[in-house]
Amino acid sequence: AQSVTQLGSHVSVSEGALVLLRCNYSSSVPPYLFWYVQYPNQGLQLLLKYTSAATLVKGINGFEAEFKKSETSFHLTKPSAHMSDAAEYFCAVSDQPGGYNKLIFGAGTRLAVHP
Amino acid sequence: EAGVTQFPSHSVIEKGQTVTLRCDPISGHDNLYWYRRVMGKEIKFLLHFVKESKQDESGMPNNRFLAERTGGTYSTLKVQPAELEDSGVYFCASSQDNYNEQFFGPGTRLTVL
Repeated sequence: AQSVTQLGSHVSVSEGALVLLRCNYSSSVPPYLFWYVQYPNQGLQLLLKYTSAATLVKGINGFEAEFKKSETSFHLTKPSAHMSDAAEYFCAVSDQPGGYNKLIFGAGTRLAVHP
Repeated sequence: EAGVTQFPSHSVIEKGQTVTLRCDPISGHDNLYWYRRVMGKEIKFLLHFVKESKQDESGMPNNRFLAERTGGTYSTLKVQPAELEDSGVYFCASSQDNYNEQFFGPGTRLTVL
């Protein structure tokens, strides 16, 4: 069965610094992978997705993630953090290959950005 | 276009009471999902509707939970009787089909005292 591990429940960075949120997955088949963001009092919003095309995926708000099969990782990065990036981020894998279906989520990483 | 809406946004009930959560998916979306996040843990899948049929209810914790989607439009999730461990945030998501992204609602925060 698929599973997702997010390393670090809380990450704090300075404004303008690199953001790196880690995600490792386990899957016996090529997965679909997702990063979602939840801002306060809002629903989850899709940041980006990997669906077996390009391994470097660009998303909204300047975020990107790289699928590394050899490391079973899908880390999320942003070169320069903004105060508005403060939110909770979730990595997820699709339960079945080739489709979206039900999602298996990691425990989430709360990102704090300080001046 | 309206997104996924959920009602209520918050609910506080006593142990043993009944609560019904509602989800209105994006118009035209056949797939509807319920998820739950308990106290800072991972978001877990509860069940999946395709139109009015339950496609997968493997994540439903026990028979105190009943989900319906009459007419294939909105869905309700009833918890009866509620227990303390049912507290958490219940998310609903919808998608056009199995090959398109899921759009999430803002969630219902349920507190059982």
